[in-house]
Amino acid sequence: GAVVSQHPSWVICKSGTSVKIECRSLDFQATTMFWYRQFPKQSLMLMATSNEGSKATYEQGVEKDKFLINHASLTLSTLTVTSAHPEDSSFYICSARSPTPGQGMAIQYFGAGTRLSVL
Amino acid sequence: RKEVEQDPGPFNVPEGATVAFNCTYSNSASQSFFWYRQDCRKEPKLLMSVYSSGNEDGRFTAQLNRASQYISLLIRDSKLSDSATYLCVVNGRFDTGGFKTIFGAGTRLFVKA
Repeated sequence: GAVVSQHPSWVICKSGTSVKIECRSLDFQATTMFWYRQFPKQSLMLMATSNEGSKATYEQGVEKDKFLINHASLTLSTLTVTSAHPEDSSFYICSARSPTPGQGMAIQYFGAGTRLSVL
Repeated sequence: RKEVEQDPGPFNVPEGATVAFNCTYSNSASQSFFWYRQDCRKEPKLLMSVYSSGNEDGRFTAQLNRASQYISLLIRDSKLSDSATYLCVVNGRFDTGGFKTIFGAGTRLFVKA
């Protein structure tokens, strides 16, 4: 299947610092990428949809100024957690939608995730 | 009502057992359906697509019932390595607007020796 690379896999940072996470589609061009957050033993929560060349669409309750998303090319989207606090500690996962003739059969492939720990 | 609903489990089964999960979805215009598997502290991985005619991949069988708006996953001859969370995924245009991929909360399976 398609490969999505996410980096870094693990980040430990001090409260108040910003953390950037990269998501790359390695063997296909992804006009749409997604950012999820998952707390222990809970389900995936969609944070935002990243569209190449335009502003991201954020889900209700997700602060766009806190979680900055940039989708500068068809293979790269970045999520920056600004002024991170301990409550932002979580597992962040990106995914990319594979190109299909129609959206109906689009499959999402996931990066390996980034485990963020804010001290 | 949630757009995609799954029984969270956990399902605790012995090795060799057959286990089935169901998933219901609210939007009758949903277009495509998938099962993903997520291991603890790992990302979700595509297990199989679900076709209208039903499909089988080894010990795994997926079925779609559009009339009743549910999909199912059957695992035969369970292995220890099948222990994971199984996510039901639906593509379509939902009440929230726009084309979306909606993930269920997942069903946890524990297979024991």
